[in-house]
Amino acid sequence: QVQLQQSGPGLVKTSQTLSLTCAISGDSVSSSSASWTWIRQSPSRGLEWLGRTYYRSKWFNDYAVSLKDRITISPDTSRNQFSLHLNSVTPEDSAVYYCARDLVPYFFDYWGQGTLVTVSS
Amino acid sequence: QSVLTQPPSASGTPGQRVTISCSGNSSNIGSDALYWFHQLPGTAPKLLIYRNDRRPSGVPDRFSGSKSGTSGSLAISGLRSEDEADYYCASWDKSLHGGVFGGGTKLTVL
Repeated sequence: QVQLQQSGPGLVKTSQTLSLTCAISGDSVSSSSASWTWIRQSPSRGLEWLGRTYYRSKWFNDYAVSLKDRITISPDTSRNQFSLHLNSVTPEDSAVYYCARDLVPYFFDYWGQGTLVTVSS
Repeated sequence: QSVLTQPPSASGTPGQRVTISCSGNSSNIGSDALYWFHQLPGTAPKLLIYRNDRRPSGVPDRFSGSKSGTSGSLAISGLRSEDEADYYCASWDKSLHGGVFGGGTKLTVL
C-alpha cells in the first residue's frame, strides 16, 4: 500500500519561498514507472497541476507553464521523498497543496493528506 | 478558469441515475484518456474512473465513465446519500504538457 505523507509550514510570508516535502512509503521516488506530482486546490483556481519529477534512466521534470519561472520539484533518493519549492509567493498562491503519484494507467492514484498553505505578509 | 468544463452542480434523489459531463478539446480529452475523481470535504480527491471507463478495485459498479471525441461523462446509478461529494474530471494536455482538471461538480443527493 502506497502512502504519501506531506510536511511543511502552513504559513509563508509574501515574496518568500514555499517549501513542502512528500515522503513516500510503499514505492520508490526512483520508480521507472511512476511520476511524482504536486497539485494545489483553491476556491478561485480549483484543482491545478503544478508539476512532476520522474526517473527514466535519468531525472526529468515538467512544470506548469504559468509557474515555470518560480517552481522547482526535486527528488531526494536517500530519504525516498520529493519536494516542492515555489518562490516569490503572493497571496494568490494560498491553497491546499497535495502530492500525488501519477502511475499509468491510473493517473493520480495515491494522494497525500494535503497541506493548507496561507501566504500573508 | 479551468481547462476542462463541467457543470458546477448536479442533483438527484436516492436510487436515481445522474450524469456529469466534462468537455475539453483536441489537446486533452481528444488525444488522451479521461479520469474522474471524487472529493469529500476536507479530504484529498480519490480516483474513481481511470482511462475513460475503468474502475479501480473497490469502486462500485454503480459508477461508470465514457468518452467520445473531446468530451466524456460520469454516470452514477442507484444514487445514495454517501455519493454526495464534489466530482472532478482530469486529463493530460499535450499542448500544455501538463495535467488539467475540470472546475468540479457538486453533487447533491436530495
